[in-house]
Amino acid sequence: GAGVSQTPSNKVTEKGKYVELRCDPISGHTALYWYRQSLGQGPEFLIYFQGTGAADDSGLPNDRFFAVRPEGSVSTLKIQRTERGDSAVYLCASSFNGGANTGELFFGEGSRLTVL
Amino acid sequence: QQQVKQSPQSLIVQKGGISIINCAYENTAFDYFPWYQQFPGKGPALLIAIRPDVSEKKEGRFTISFNKSAKQFSLHIMDSQPGDSATYFCAARVYNFNKFYFGSGTKLNVKP
Repeated sequence: GAGVSQTPSNKVTEKGKYVELRCDPISGHTALYWYRQSLGQGPEFLIYFQGTGAADDSGLPNDRFFAVRPEGSVSTLKIQRTERGDSAVYLCASSFNGGANTGELFFGEGSRLTVL
Repeated sequence: QQQVKQSPQSLIVQKGGISIINCAYENTAFDYFPWYQQFPGKGPALLIAIRPDVSEKKEGRFTISFNKSAKQFSLHIMDSQPGDSATYFCAARVYNFNKFYFGSGTKLNVKP
């Protein structure tokens, strides 16, 4: 497809389990972002990749959260030892170049994570 | 600390009316101010954006007004339609860092 694709769209897991969320950005987009959106709130920045490297991971809440983008395209957000407070919609966005002359983020539909 | 403060939290407007959503910020390093529209179950989509060197930008029924000295910007939706019913987020980007901060959102309901 032409847009940002996220899988799974819904994930229900038990407290303490490990979860992986996948993002397939728009082809050719070098910048990739992960945001977390809690109910009734705006997206909260987690991490930003420029190519394969994490340019800014200051939004990751703790060391249970980790993200990779090994080939500069698909990214995976990994959450270890999930907690009920991790329940949210995890949004992925990509942008072309990520440079100062662009700025439009193209969002996927999100992965809704529910931790029981 | 919330970098971008948005109000109101919710808004009800009659069809044909004007919807106004306001945002305020403190960080003078912000250089780009987009507004995003989000429908239930979908990701946010860019609606309109402005840079701080202009005071107003209009695209169709949507206008951003920007007051640099007051560090405030607002979205005006003219002739509001039921199809505009959605949640709107203002955002701001830190220059050269490509990190976007979002407001908490305004849920707009346009009544027919």
